[in-house]
Formats: sequence, C-alpha cells, structure tokens
Amino acid sequence: GAGVSQTPSNKVTEKGKYVELRCDPISGHTALYWYRQSLGQGPEFLIYFQGTGAADDSGLPNDRFFAVRPEGSVSTLKIQRTERGDSAVYLCASSPSGGLMNTEAFFGQGTRLTVV
Amino acid sequence: AQSVAQPEDQVNVAEGNPLTVKCTYSVSGNPYLFWYVQYPNRGLQFLLKYITGDNLVKGSYGFEAEFNKSQTSFHLKKPSALVSDSALYFCAVSGSSGSARQLTFGSGTQLTVLP
Repeated sequence: GAGVSQTPSNKVTEKGKYVELRCDPISGHTALYWYRQSLGQGPEFLIYFQGTGAADDSGLPNDRFFAVRPEGSVSTLKIQRTERGDSAVYLCASSPSGGLMNTEAFFGQGTRLTVV
Repeated sequence: AQSVAQPEDQVNVAEGNPLTVKCTYSVSGNPYLFWYVQYPNRGLQFLLKYITGDNLVKGSYGFEAEFNKSQTSFHLKKPSALVSDSALYFCAVSGSSGSARQLTFGSGTQLTVLP
C-alpha cells in the first residue's frame, strides 16, 4: 500500500499478557517512529529507528516496552506484562530520512490497545 | 525539554468566518514547528511546517500559520472556514539540535465549523 500500515487495528488483551504491534512503513523510508496516544491527549514519543537501529528510545516508559526493526523495514512494538494503564492508541510513522527539517512524518491509523 | 501548549480544547466557528487555533511552544535552540490534523478513524495528516525563513507558512487545504519568535507562538489560521475542516488539530515542535527527530505534540484542539 501507499501509506503506513499498522496491524492489528484493534487489540484487546488481559492484564499481564504479552502483545506485539506491527508497523509496515512506506517503502523506502529509513526513519520509523512509534508514538502512544492516550484518550484526550496528543501523541507521545516512544522510540525512533534509523534503519535497523534504535537511534532514540528515550520515550519508552519502562523495560516492559521494547521495539525491533531487524531488516530496516517492518517494526514490532512489544509490550510485556501489560497493565491497564497501557491502554492507548499506538501510532507508527515513517519518513524518508531522519531529521524533520527536510521531510515530514507520515502516520498510520494506529492500533487501539485495550488492556482489561 | 521541549513542550507545546494548545490553550483551547475546543474552538467553534461559523462556516465562512476566519478561524484561529492557538499554539505556543518551548524548545532549546531554533524550533521546527508543525501542524497535524486528525479526522475520525484516520491517521494524523501533515498540514504545514515552519523550519526557517518567512514567518508566514502556507500549507494544505488553505491553512496557514504564523511563526512569532518573540511570543513563541505558531497559531494556525484559515481565512474562511469550511464545515469539512471540523477535526482535531495538533501542534508539534522539534528542536533543531539533538532532538530534531522527536516530535512533541500538544494536547490537541477540537475544531468545529458550524454550518
């Protein structure tokens, strides 16, 4: 597809379970971002990849959260031992290169995670 | 640390009237400023950005924004609002050094254009 694709679109899980959220960026985009948007709030930065490496993971809230991008394309956000406070919409974005001065970030529609 | 404030949760305007959605920011160094729009069940869409140069930036769908360094503001404007402009608008900032890859968003302003 032409845009950023995120799967699943909705995920309901029980407290304590492990979840994986997938992001397919726009083909050729080297930069990939994960954000989390809680109800009534703006997106909050989680992690940024340039290629395969996590260039900035300063937004990950704790060690239950982890993300990978092994081949520099698809990325997976992994959450262990989920808590009810993890419920949010998880957004993925990609851009042609890192650094937002010359380009823009294109966002996917997000995965709505509900922890019950 | 960088931050964005959108002081209005909700803005209502009549169709055909001018609209303004307010945004102020705080960042170290020169700011990169952005506006995104979010329609229901759709992803965030880029509207416009200020990097350098002319303080008045023109973007998609007839929107524009004015960068004011002394007031640290980047208000979004449109001369004549359309009902279809009704959506959730987010202002975002990125620092020009170090964190130029990390966007910090405001809490959003719900714009409603009344027919």
